[in-house]
Amino acid sequence: DTAVSQTPKYLVTQMGNDKSIKCEQNLGHDTMYWYKQDSKKFLKIMFSYNNKELIINETVPNRFSPKSPDKAHLNLHINSLELGDSAVYFCASSQGGVWDNEQFFGPGTRLTVL
Amino acid sequence: GQNIDQPTEMTATEGAIVQINCTYQTSGFNGLFWYQQHAGEAPTFLSYNVLDGLEEKGRFSSFLSRSKGYSYLLLKELQMKDSASYLCAVGRIGGSYIPTFGRGTSLIVHP
Repeated sequence: DTAVSQTPKYLVTQMGNDKSIKCEQNLGHDTMYWYKQDSKKFLKIMFSYNNKELIINETVPNRFSPKSPDKAHLNLHINSLELGDSAVYFCASSQGGVWDNEQFFGPGTRLTVL
Repeated sequence: GQNIDQPTEMTATEGAIVQINCTYQTSGFNGLFWYQQHAGEAPTFLSYNVLDGLEEKGRFSSFLSRSKGYSYLLLKELQMKDSASYLCAVGRIGGSYIPTFGRGTSLIVHP
Protein backbone atom coordinates (compact mmCIF):
# COMPACT_ATOMS: atom_id res chain seq x y z
CA ASP A 1 0.00 0.00 0.00
CA THR A 2 1.34 3.40 -0.97
CA ALA A 3 1.53 5.72 2.04
CA VAL A 4 1.97 9.09 0.30
CA SER A 5 1.34 9.29 -3.43
CA GLN A 6 1.75 12.12 -5.90
CA THR A 7 0.75 12.60 -9.50
CA PRO A 8 2.19 13.18 -11.97
CA LYS A 9 5.73 11.91 -11.42
CA TYR A 10 7.06 14.02 -14.29
CA LEU A 11 5.67 17.27 -15.64
CA VAL A 12 7.13 19.13 -18.60
CA THR A 13 5.45 22.36 -19.62
CA GLN A 14 5.95 25.74 -21.23
CA MET A 15 6.51 29.02 -19.41
CA GLY A 16 3.29 30.82 -18.65
CA ASN A 17 1.17 27.68 -18.34
CA ASP A 18 -0.86 26.67 -15.29
CA LYS A 19 -0.40 23.20 -13.80
CA SER A 20 -1.47 21.16 -10.78
CA ILE A 21 0.15 18.42 -8.75
CA LYS A 22 -1.97 16.10 -6.64
CA CYS A 23 -1.07 14.45 -3.35
CA GLU A 24 -2.84 11.88 -1.23
CA GLN A 25 -1.89 10.11 1.99
CA ASN A 26 -3.51 7.05 3.51
CA LEU A 27 -1.69 7.19 6.84
CA GLY A 28 -4.45 8.99 8.70
CA HIS A 29 -2.11 11.92 9.37
CA ASP A 30 -3.43 15.34 10.31
CA THR A 31 -0.70 17.44 8.69
CA MET A 32 0.47 17.61 5.09
CA TYR A 33 3.29 19.61 3.50
CA TRP A 34 4.67 20.74 0.19
CA TYR A 35 8.43 21.02 -0.28
CA LYS A 36 10.51 22.26 -3.19
CA GLN A 37 13.93 20.69 -3.85
CA ASP A 38 16.07 22.69 -6.24
CA SER A 39 18.94 21.58 -8.45
CA LYS A 40 21.33 21.92 -5.52
CA LYS A 41 19.21 19.46 -3.55
CA PHE A 42 18.11 22.05 -1.00
CA LEU A 43 14.76 20.89 0.42
CA LYS A 44 12.66 23.87 1.41
CA ILE A 45 9.20 23.85 2.95
CA MET A 46 6.55 25.78 1.04
CA PHE A 47 3.25 25.05 2.76
CA SER A 48 1.84 23.10 5.64
CA TYR A 49 -1.79 22.20 6.22
CA ASN A 50 -3.27 20.81 9.40
CA ASN A 51 -6.72 19.30 9.10
CA LYS A 52 -7.42 21.23 5.89
CA GLU A 53 -6.23 24.55 7.31
CA LEU A 54 -3.11 26.41 6.19
CA ILE A 55 -0.61 26.76 9.02
CA ILE A 56 2.63 27.62 7.20
CA ASN A 57 3.21 29.65 4.08
CA GLU A 58 6.93 30.23 3.76
CA THR A 59 7.36 33.27 1.51
CA VAL A 60 6.11 31.49 -1.56
CA PRO A 61 4.94 33.57 -4.54
CA ASN A 62 1.18 33.78 -4.71
CA ARG A 63 1.32 32.00 -8.09
CA PHE A 64 1.46 28.89 -5.91
CA SER A 65 -1.84 27.98 -4.31
CA PRO A 66 -2.35 24.88 -2.20
CA LYS A 67 -5.79 23.34 -1.84
CA SER A 68 -6.85 20.75 0.70
CA PRO A 69 -10.30 19.27 0.01
CA ASP A 70 -9.92 16.95 3.00
CA LYS A 71 -7.15 16.01 5.40
CA ALA A 72 -5.96 13.15 3.18
CA HIS A 73 -5.36 15.37 0.15
CA LEU A 74 -3.20 18.41 -0.50
CA ASN A 75 -2.94 19.62 -4.07
CA LEU A 76 -0.63 22.29 -5.43
CA HIS A 77 -1.70 24.58 -8.24
CA ILE A 78 0.87 26.77 -9.98
CA ASN A 79 -0.13 29.69 -12.20
CA SER A 80 1.99 31.39 -14.86
CA LEU A 81 4.89 28.97 -14.58
CA GLU A 82 8.41 30.43 -14.72
CA LEU A 83 11.76 28.86 -15.55
CA GLY A 84 12.80 29.12 -11.89
CA ASP A 85 9.91 26.88 -10.88
CA SER A 86 11.76 23.90 -12.36
CA ALA A 87 12.48 21.61 -9.41
CA VAL A 88 11.32 18.45 -7.70
CA TYR A 89 8.23 19.00 -5.57
CA PHE A 90 7.68 16.64 -2.66
CA CYS A 91 4.48 16.17 -0.75
CA ALA A 92 4.79 14.86 2.80
CA SER A 93 2.61 14.11 5.79
CA SER A 94 3.12 13.74 9.52
CA GLN A 95 1.05 12.99 12.59
CA GLY A 96 0.89 16.69 13.36
CA GLY A 97 1.52 16.57 17.09
CA VAL A 98 3.97 18.76 18.98
CA TRP A 99 6.75 16.16 19.07
CA ASP A 100 8.31 13.69 16.71
CA ASN A 101 6.83 14.96 13.49
CA GLU A 102 8.53 12.41 11.27
CA GLN A 103 7.89 13.35 7.67
CA PHE A 104 6.62 10.69 5.28
CA PHE A 105 7.44 11.80 1.76
CA GLY A 106 5.76 11.08 -1.52
CA PRO A 107 7.90 10.00 -4.50
CA GLY A 108 8.21 13.56 -5.83
CA THR A 109 7.12 15.35 -8.99
CA ARG A 110 9.89 16.55 -11.29
CA LEU A 111 8.67 19.76 -12.90
CA THR A 112 10.53 21.09 -15.92
CA VAL A 113 9.53 24.48 -17.29
CA LEU A 114 10.75 25.20 -20.83
CA GLY B 1 15.48 32.60 11.75
CA GLN B 2 17.18 29.26 11.52
CA ASN B 3 20.58 28.15 10.32
CA ILE B 4 21.58 24.54 9.71
CA ASP B 5 25.10 23.62 8.64
CA GLN B 6 26.42 20.31 7.41
CA PRO B 7 29.31 19.37 5.11
CA THR B 8 28.46 19.30 1.43
CA GLU B 9 30.23 16.07 0.58
CA MET B 10 32.10 13.23 2.26
CA THR B 11 33.76 10.10 0.96
CA ALA B 12 34.48 6.87 2.80
CA THR B 13 35.50 3.31 2.19
CA GLU B 14 33.26 0.28 2.33
CA GLY B 15 33.35 -1.29 5.79
CA ALA B 16 34.56 1.90 7.48
CA ILE B 17 32.82 4.24 9.91
CA VAL B 18 31.80 7.77 8.97
CA GLN B 19 30.44 10.63 11.07
CA ILE B 20 28.33 13.37 9.49
CA ASN B 21 28.07 16.51 11.59
CA CYS B 22 25.25 19.02 11.75
CA THR B 23 25.18 22.31 13.64
CA TYR B 24 22.08 24.40 14.02
CA GLN B 25 20.78 27.66 15.44
CA THR B 26 17.09 27.96 16.10
CA SER B 27 14.53 29.18 18.58
CA GLY B 28 11.79 26.91 19.88
CA PHE B 29 13.84 23.77 19.21
CA ASN B 30 11.60 20.74 18.96
CA GLY B 31 13.78 17.84 17.93
CA LEU B 32 16.32 16.95 15.26
CA PHE B 33 15.84 14.44 12.47
CA TRP B 34 18.16 12.68 10.07
CA TYR B 35 16.87 11.56 6.68
CA GLN B 36 18.50 9.56 3.92
CA GLN B 37 17.88 10.43 0.28
CA HIS B 38 19.11 8.30 -2.59
CA ALA B 39 19.48 9.98 -5.98
CA GLY B 40 16.13 10.40 -7.69
CA GLU B 41 14.17 9.23 -4.66
CA ALA B 42 12.31 10.75 -1.73
CA PRO B 43 13.91 11.32 1.67
CA THR B 44 13.30 8.55 4.20
CA PHE B 45 13.45 8.82 7.98
CA LEU B 46 16.53 7.55 9.79
CA SER B 47 16.46 8.95 13.32
CA TYR B 48 14.98 11.46 15.75
CA ASN B 49 16.63 13.06 18.78
CA VAL B 50 14.90 15.40 21.17
CA LEU B 51 16.96 14.80 24.32
CA ASP B 52 20.75 14.96 24.64
CA GLY B 53 22.61 11.76 24.01
CA LEU B 54 23.05 8.93 21.60
CA GLU B 55 20.27 7.00 19.86
CA GLU B 56 21.39 3.74 18.29
CA LYS B 57 19.53 1.91 15.57
CA GLY B 58 21.45 -0.93 13.96
CA ARG B 59 24.38 0.38 11.93
CA PHE B 60 23.20 3.97 12.34
CA SER B 61 23.45 6.13 15.46
CA SER B 62 22.56 9.75 16.04
CA PHE B 63 23.80 12.08 18.75
CA LEU B 64 22.41 15.37 20.01
CA SER B 65 23.77 18.14 22.21
CA ARG B 66 21.14 20.85 22.59
CA SER B 67 23.42 23.21 24.51
CA LYS B 68 25.94 23.14 21.65
CA GLY B 69 23.39 23.09 18.85
CA TYR B 70 25.13 20.03 17.49
CA SER B 71 24.25 16.61 16.17
CA TYR B 72 25.99 13.87 14.30
CA LEU B 73 24.97 10.80 12.38
CA LEU B 74 27.32 7.83 12.71
CA LEU B 75 27.26 5.13 10.07
CA LYS B 76 29.13 1.91 10.82
CA GLU B 77 30.18 -0.96 8.57
CA LEU B 78 29.56 1.14 5.52
CA GLN B 79 28.02 -0.51 2.51
CA MET B 80 27.93 0.68 -1.08
CA LYS B 81 24.18 1.19 -0.76
CA ASP B 82 24.83 3.83 1.93
CA SER B 83 25.95 6.20 -0.84
CA ALA B 84 23.25 8.86 -0.60
CA SER B 85 22.52 12.34 0.64
CA TYR B 86 21.98 12.68 4.41
CA LEU B 87 19.71 15.52 5.48
CA CYS B 88 19.73 17.06 8.93
CA ALA B 89 16.37 18.62 9.81
CA VAL B 90 15.37 20.68 12.80
CA GLY B 91 11.85 20.97 14.12
CA ARG B 92 10.76 24.26 15.55
CA ILE B 93 7.63 25.37 17.32
CA GLY B 94 6.58 28.86 16.35
CA GLY B 95 2.85 28.76 16.88
CA SER B 96 2.85 25.59 14.82
CA TYR B 97 5.38 22.92 13.98
CA ILE B 98 7.88 24.11 11.37
CA PRO B 99 10.44 21.69 9.88
CA THR B 100 13.64 23.08 8.35
CA PHE B 101 16.16 21.01 6.41
CA GLY B 102 19.87 21.50 5.98
CA ARG B 103 21.36 21.34 2.49
CA GLY B 104 22.36 17.71 2.92
CA THR B 105 25.67 15.85 2.92
CA SER B 106 26.39 13.75 -0.12
CA LEU B 107 28.17 10.59 1.05
CA ILE B 108 30.11 8.56 -1.49
CA VAL B 109 31.15 5.06 -0.42
CA HIS B 110 33.82 3.46 -2.54
CA PRO B 111 35.20 -0.09 -2.53
